[in-house]
Amino acid sequence: AQRVTQPEKLLSVFKGAPVELKCNYSYSGSPELFWYVQYSRQRLQLLLRHISRESIKGFTADLNKGETSFHLKKPFAQEEDSAMYYCALHTGGFKTIFGAGTRLFVKA
Amino acid sequence: DVKVTQSSRYLVKRTGEKVFLECVQDMDHENMFWYRQDPGLGLRLIYFSYDVKMKEKGDIPEGYSVSREKKERFSLILESASTNQTSMYLCASREGNEQFFGPGTRLTVL
Repeated sequence: AQRVTQPEKLLSVFKGAPVELKCNYSYSGSPELFWYVQYSRQRLQLLLRHISRESIKGFTADLNKGETSFHLKKPFAQEEDSAMYYCALHTGGFKTIFGAGTRLFVKA
Repeated sequence: DVKVTQSSRYLVKRTGEKVFLECVQDMDHENMFWYRQDPGLGLRLIYFSYDVKMKEKGDIPEGYSVSREKKERFSLILESASTNQTSMYLCASREGNEQFFGPGTRLTVL
C-alpha cells in the first residue's frame, strides 16, 4: 500500500539547534516527494520537492530510496520556522498522499 | 501567482443542513481537489476533478458530493451535514505535480 509516515506529531527544538523532521514512504515505483508547510494563519504551501534538489529557507531534504525516507533538515532552526510540516508522495496519476504532519515548535 | 480562493473562512451549520463549499482558481488548472484536514490524520482526499463535469472519489467520499460546472470552480456539497463532518476543508488546484491550496474553510456542524 502507498503510505507516508511522519512519526513525530510534535517536535520542539531551541533556536539555533539542528532540526530533522522525519518522513518515510511506502511505494514500489519511482516516487516524487514533497514537503509542504503551513505557517500560523497562512495557507498550506510547497516548501520543496526532491526533484529540484534545492534549499529553501535553509531547509534541505534528500531522497533515500534504500531507506525509503525523505527527511527534512535544517542546521540552525529559527523561531519563524515554527509551523506544521507535511510530507507528501506523488505516485503518478492524480493523487498525492500526505502524511499526518509534524508540528515544529522552535523555542527562543 | 496562483490564487485559490474559498468562499468562507468559517462556517457554522446545523445537523441535517445542506452545505455548499465553493472554491475558485484563476490559473486555468485542469485538476482540482477537496481535502479535509484533521489533527493527527493529515490531509485526506475527499474528491477530485480532472476536467469540467469530471470527478473521481478520493479516500473518504462518503457523505460528500462535488460539482464542477466550470473549469475555475469546484464545489463541495454536504448533502446532510453531520457532527463528524466538523473539520477544516482545503481546496487545491494542481500545476504539474505541485498543489496550490486555498486558505481553508473551518466548518462546524452543531
